Amino acid sequence: AQKVTQAQTEISVVEKEDVTLDCVYETRDTTYYLFWYKQPPSGELVFLIRRNSFDEQNEISGRYSWNFQKSTSSFNFTITASQVVDSAVYFCALSEESGGYQKVTFGTGTKLQVIP
Amino acid sequence: GAGVSQTPSNKVTEKGKYVELRCDPISGHTALYWYRQSLGQGPEFLIYFQGTGAADDSGLPNDRFFAVRPEGSVSTLKIQRTERGDSAVYLCASSPPTGAVGELFFGEGSRLTVL
Repeated sequence: AQKVTQAQTEISVVEKEDVTLDCVYETRDTTYYLFWYKQPPSGELVFLIRRNSFDEQNEISGRYSWNFQKSTSSFNFTITASQVVDSAVYFCALSEESGGYQKVTFGTGTKLQVIP
Repeated sequence: GAGVSQTPSNKVTEKGKYVELRCDPISGHTALYWYRQSLGQGPEFLIYFQGTGAADDSGLPNDRFFAVRPEGSVSTLKIQRTERGDSAVYLCASSPPTGAVGELFFGEGSRLTVL
């Protein structure tokens, strides 16, 4: 079974629109970490955020915000007032206590295109 | 540069040939990871080094794949008898000894094409 599911393959929005990228995960561990990474066209994955399983507090960083809900095993990412520079592939990822935390499992990614 | 450096950036080879991909991590980073990313997919874990030793190689697909990190810095991913299915971008990442879980610093990858 896929551990990290990003059902949205591609999303297109017009600049300044808000957009939410969905992520659903699956784990049997009680302790785990969730992440979001950004992969711009250059190909280099860039770390955006980490959340541990005991911290369900939502987080906001500038135009970015993350909503973690253990009840639905979801860790969604919202970009407010999107900009062309936000165009990239975004990956949700998981690392589990049972894997020693070092093995990060990535979803298949959501390609976001922001149209000017 | 200060980031993770991978060479070559592009490698085209013929089926059955041997290939080496090199990763130079950020100075001082003790942990090093190799991932493989096929077209339209997320990165897939291959192997993780802590220092010179492979702490977890459970992601290597078969015995044609091997990786080393003899001095705890530069790592080489070796692929023997390449197959067309090995075509992918091979990503290297590193993290510092006091780094937070999962905060990996990635290189730009080595794109391998097996004809």
